[in-house]
Amino acid sequence: EAQVTQNPRYLITVTGKKLTVTCSQNMNHEYMSWYRQDPGLGLRQIYYSMNVEVTDKGDVPEGYKVSRKEKRNFPLILESPSPNQTSLYFCASSLVLAAGLHGSSGANVLTFGAGSRLTVL
Amino acid sequence: QKEVEQNSGPLSVPEGAIASLNCTYSDRGSQSFFWYRQYSGKSPELIMSIYSNGDKEDGRFTAQLNKASQYVSLLIRDSQPSDSATYLCAVTRTGTASKLTFGTGTRLQVTL
Repeated sequence: EAQVTQNPRYLITVTGKKLTVTCSQNMNHEYMSWYRQDPGLGLRQIYYSMNVEVTDKGDVPEGYKVSRKEKRNFPLILESPSPNQTSLYFCASSLVLAAGLHGSSGANVLTFGAGSRLTVL
Repeated sequence: QKEVEQNSGPLSVPEGAIASLNCTYSDRGSQSFFWYRQYSGKSPELIMSIYSNGDKEDGRFTAQLNKASQYVSLLIRDSQPSDSATYLCAVTRTGTASKLTFGTGTRLQVTL
């Protein structure tokens, strides 16, 4: 089954304790992205990756790191979590993301993981 | 001004009615437009995409795009209780092809 898998789904941690949220996709997608979702603020992009070894900041990258060593994996790292990083996190992937491409080709169609609810105390 | 704006709702419509969801965007050069549906506690899923001015129909869903007025809308005909969800508008912005910007979503409630 084509899917994006995130782990853990739920995590409660304490301030400053490094954690990693894993994301893996089995669709051979080039594009992967992390979003956080907060009430009233919607989905905000943290980091994205156009392909292996190519990553870039989204709109809210502070306090996060990512890496893309393999095409299928895109982990999100919180080096020193703080309470303001308490949120619902989504990993998503797409065949490719490019303005103007039609979604019928698979471009610009995001497939989301089930989400990871993180609480930082 | 937010890049992608939606009324947060809730928008309440009776079963069988037409639900109309609206979205405006600020970047006049935006090219690709999407509607995602998100049930409570679940991840977003794509329901419609539209790229050209006019209407695009898919079953009970119709997406409408007006680039001159910078708005995109989603109509849901014969609304069902199972349509109750938050609907997210998303736009790819010119000059930042790798970013898909989401609105904050409109919560739709279909009442019996």
